[in-house]
This record gives sequence, structure tokens and C-alpha cells, in this order.
Amino acid sequence: DADVTQTPRNRITKTGKRIMLECSQTKGHDRMYWYRQDPGLGLRLIYYSFDVKDINKGEISDGYSVSRQAQAKFSLSLESAIPNQTALYFCATSEGSIYNSPLHFGNGTRLTVT
Amino acid sequence: GNSVTQMEGPVTLSEEAFLTINCTYTATGYPSLFWYVQYPGEGLQLLLKATKADDKGSNKGFEATYRKETTSFHLEKGSVQVSDSAVYFCALSRTDKLIFGTGTRLQVFP
Repeated sequence: DADVTQTPRNRITKTGKRIMLECSQTKGHDRMYWYRQDPGLGLRLIYYSFDVKDINKGEISDGYSVSRQAQAKFSLSLESAIPNQTALYFCATSEGSIYNSPLHFGNGTRLTVT
Repeated sequence: GNSVTQMEGPVTLSEEAFLTINCTYTATGYPSLFWYVQYPGEGLQLLLKATKADDKGSNKGFEATYRKETTSFHLEKGSVQVSDSAVYFCALSRTDKLIFGTGTRLQVFP
């Protein structure tokens, strides 16, 4: 089983719909992150959380919200999806500071907004 | 600001060829530098890192040296394999977060 599991793997939704992407981890890491990947733009940080009571905006948080339900779970919501949110979304975890601890990524959720 | 610039791909090589993927960065202070690799259908995974100037990171035959004077962290491998086909991301760390480059796709043919 994967250490960082994202559900669903693929999702097609319509403009204006609310959608939630889920991430769970069995690594016991405190730190969790949501990134989106777009062709030609690389990965950009949406939100991150260093523990259950900590939520921080990344560089592109507008239009997104997150919930850290437990150490192992970190969900990303699109309150009203729009087509330019079509992208590949990755959840990642780390044990501690990224200077010493690598990011561990899930396999991604491909989201299409029509 | 802080940013990472990578050479555009795809890079197409024959098996056993020498690989270089260029990466340069702009940053205040002294960031740590990383290479992550993304195999088809998977998330990224750390390939190597260097935490200070002149450090050399290495893993699986890949190497990269942190060059402060040229603000570069080029990825090299002496002899690539078909299994090295993937997208490679250069990244730097600032305030405990990673800033990624746009990625370079490597395609290796037998």
C-alpha cells in the first residue's frame, strides 16, 4: 500500500461545483502539503500544514481551502470549481524541516473542470 | 525573489549517452538545492540534494554540484538507461518550503 494515498485518482467536474480532494498518510509525518502541477509551470504550493492545528497559505491559495482533520488526513476543497483549476494535484508529507527531510508525494489526482 | 530556472525539454538521448540537465537559481541567502524525479504516473521523489556551496549530491549514478559562483545546480549522469526516462525537477528551499522549477522531461531510447 502507498504511504501517501490520494483519492480520487481522476475527477471530472463542472464549473461551479464544489469538490474535495482527499489525502491520507501512514508515514506518521506531521507536515503535509498540497501542490498543483501544470505543464510549463512546474509545481506550485497551494496550502501546507505543519501540525493538526496549523494551516498556512501557499503561493496560489485563492479559490482553494483545506482541512486538516487529523495528523494523517489533509483535504483540499475547491468551493466553486473553474476551468483554470484543471490540473494535476499532489499531496505530500515530510517528517520535519525540508532541509533535512524529503517530501513524500502521493500519486496525484487529475482534476478536469469543464 | 526566489526562483528556479531549468532547461526546457524534452531531452532525448540514446541509452548510455551522457546527460546534463541545467538548473540555475535566484535566491537570497544560502538555500539548499534539490533534484526530484517524477516517473510516469507517479508522484515526485527526492533524487539528491546539496545543502551548501561546493557540496555534491549523488544518487543512482546522478550527480549535481552546488555552485554558488554561477548559481547553478546542474544534474549529470555518465550513462543513462531507458529506465531513467522521467521528468526531473530542480528545487530550492526557502523558509522551510520548496520552490520548484518547471521540470525537464528526459526520454531515453534503446
